[in-house]
Amino acid sequence: NAGVTQTPKFQVLKTGQSMTLQCAQDMNHEYMSWYRQDPGMGLRLIHYSVGAGITDQGEVPNGYNVSRSTTEDFPLRLLSAAPSQTSVYFCASSYRREGTGELFFGEGSRLTVL
Amino acid sequence: DAKTTQPNSMESNEEEPVHLPCNHSTISGTDYIHWYRQLPSQGPEYVIHGLTSNVNNRMASLAIAEDRKSSTLILHRATLRDAAVYYCILRDFSTLGRLYFGRGTQLTVWP
Repeated sequence: NAGVTQTPKFQVLKTGQSMTLQCAQDMNHEYMSWYRQDPGMGLRLIHYSVGAGITDQGEVPNGYNVSRSTTEDFPLRLLSAAPSQTSVYFCASSYRREGTGELFFGEGSRLTVL
Repeated sequence: DAKTTQPNSMESNEEEPVHLPCNHSTISGTDYIHWYRQLPSQGPEYVIHGLTSNVNNRMASLAIAEDRKSSTLILHRATLRDAAVYYCILRDFSTLGRLYFGRGTQLTVWP
């Protein structure tokens, strides 16, 4: 099992560019989510999904798009990058198991927008 | 969505017990209490979870108040490797909920 795999680990963008952060898990988890972490701010939820074809917004969804066409993958798209989106992004997944499902996190993707 | 309140920081000496508190006064009857920790430059990792009864595992113990409005993560003997940010979150029974991590508690362990 590879667990939760995020790519790329590092990325530098210019303002206005678009890109996709990839997240894949091989544990057949129904629940997947994206967080961003800024210094001193803890983890903030961007979007989450409870299964293929189902997504919903978290605390800070503006500027980000997601889709869930397969159980394994949950990409995060930045449509027009802004410096305020400079952050470390974490993907997480778990079973939808009556609230007991342990969250597994990826190693993070560090994004810098110039 | 129920949220939690934790102290910003705590300190401990190595090999001493550490009690990390968490308040969740608006917890619902179906919310599970989860604890995670984040080591420097890493993603968060699961520590322990519980519903009503106290729980023990190889990493820590979780003590849950009788009214469930607060809980305490107990590290029985802190090591330098336990220095991390600890997050207390609530996970709804249906698991359809948003999982809010907040800022957590920064634990410093002194040698």
